[in-house]
Amino acid sequence: GESVGLHLPTLSVQEGDNSIINCAYSNSASDYFIWYKQESGKGPQFIIDIRSNMDKRQGQRVTVLLNKTVKHLSLQIAATQPGDSAVYFCAEKNRSGGGADGLTFGKGTHLIIQP
Amino acid sequence: GAGVSQSPSNKVTEKGKDVELRCDPISGHTALYWYRQSLGQGLEFLIYFQGNSAPDKSGLPSDRFSAERTGGSVSTLTIQRTQQEDSAVYLCASSLALGYSPLHFGNGTRLTVT
Repeated sequence: GESVGLHLPTLSVQEGDNSIINCAYSNSASDYFIWYKQESGKGPQFIIDIRSNMDKRQGQRVTVLLNKTVKHLSLQIAATQPGDSAVYFCAEKNRSGGGADGLTFGKGTHLIIQP
Repeated sequence: GAGVSQSPSNKVTEKGKDVELRCDPISGHTALYWYRQSLGQGLEFLIYFQGNSAPDKSGLPSDRFSAERTGGSVSTLTIQRTQQEDSAVYLCASSLALGYSPLHFGNGTRLTVT
């Protein structure tokens, strides 16, 4: 079946550098995408979302890019800080609905910030 | 403002016992979701409530699992005759249930079955 996947399970970056976390999706019916951050012992925290009618959306130090042609989603974090260390999940929503309200979560990428 | 609240935060139970996990969603959120997360794994969908509609139970792993949502607000996830493989973090989320609104998660209940 169609699913959301992540290219790299672990990403290590130097403090102050920019980081890019990637996510591939294969469901062409998905029209809404969400990034979450999960710190140890906590639930996933909403970071930023994007609808399929957009290519780019910016938040505070974060940017989400959506390439519908290759079905690719990325989260860019600028000037990474120690507090950015966490697991990052992407999620897609199928506009046709279906089980789980049409939501599918990726398995996550562990971002490690090195001093 | 208040986020999604789950209780207890930790629960240790003996194999074969029943457990109840509680979720208080964000006020005004009509959609409520339960997920399960095993150590180092992704989110496994369990059940979804939307308003007064029949819940989507397609993710419940067995008939030992059930959930209720009373008055369109608080939800309880019940696991009967717990097994060791039920050990996981159980996460609750709520949303406005508009087509493009994100889920907001609680911090979960860590269930350990001994």
